[in-house]
Amino acid sequence: DQQVKQNSPSLSVQEGRISILNCDYTNSMFDYFLWYKKYPAEGPTFLISISSIKDKNEDGRFTVFLNKSAKHLSLHIVPSQPGDSAVYFCAASADNNDMRFGAGTRLTVKP
Amino acid sequence: NAGVTQTPKFQVLKTGQSMTLQCAQDMNHNSMYWYRQDPGMGLRLIYYSASEGTTDKGEVPNGYNVSRLNKREFSLRLESAAPSQTSVYFCASRVDQPQHFGDGTRLSIL
Repeated sequence: DQQVKQNSPSLSVQEGRISILNCDYTNSMFDYFLWYKKYPAEGPTFLISISSIKDKNEDGRFTVFLNKSAKHLSLHIVPSQPGDSAVYFCAASADNNDMRFGAGTRLTVKP
Repeated sequence: NAGVTQTPKFQVLKTGQSMTLQCAQDMNHNSMYWYRQDPGMGLRLIYYSASEGTTDKGEVPNGYNVSRLNKREFSLRLESAAPSQTSVYFCASRVDQPQHFGDGTRLSIL
């Protein structure tokens, strides 16, 4: 069973606009959430995280929002740049070792 | 500073052959992980090692074995490869969150 779901396989955005990537989860025990970015032929690289005691975390152009009651998190990228084009994975964990990933969303930022 | 290094990068096997995927990290991390990534699915945890000398099953351990050789190295072995094990395999390590990933091994089993 997929405990972490990214329902949009792809997203296309114009350069300079906002990109919003969404993620839903089913396991209420998850208490730590991460976003990873992946380029072709490379491993995932960490982007930003949030713990369940917060509802927002910001790092430069990237902001993650967590809505625990809806079991939903989102990643906002503002402004979007062509170099942001990649696959974005949402991940969640209830302990530090068993991390569950979504299937990913391919973001394309058009110049 | 290499981070997490995986070898080989590509491999083609025949059904029934055995293979060991190697992973080494130079960040002095305690915990190491093996994942597989299949089309339309996220990364799924196969096995992990929370510290040197310990290993535990993840979400999809069947058909695999692991060895934590020392603090730096964590290998994944397929004893009798099956076509269903065709995948991209990622190794990761951490001391705290987040995990740091290698660039993957693309494995095809015919």
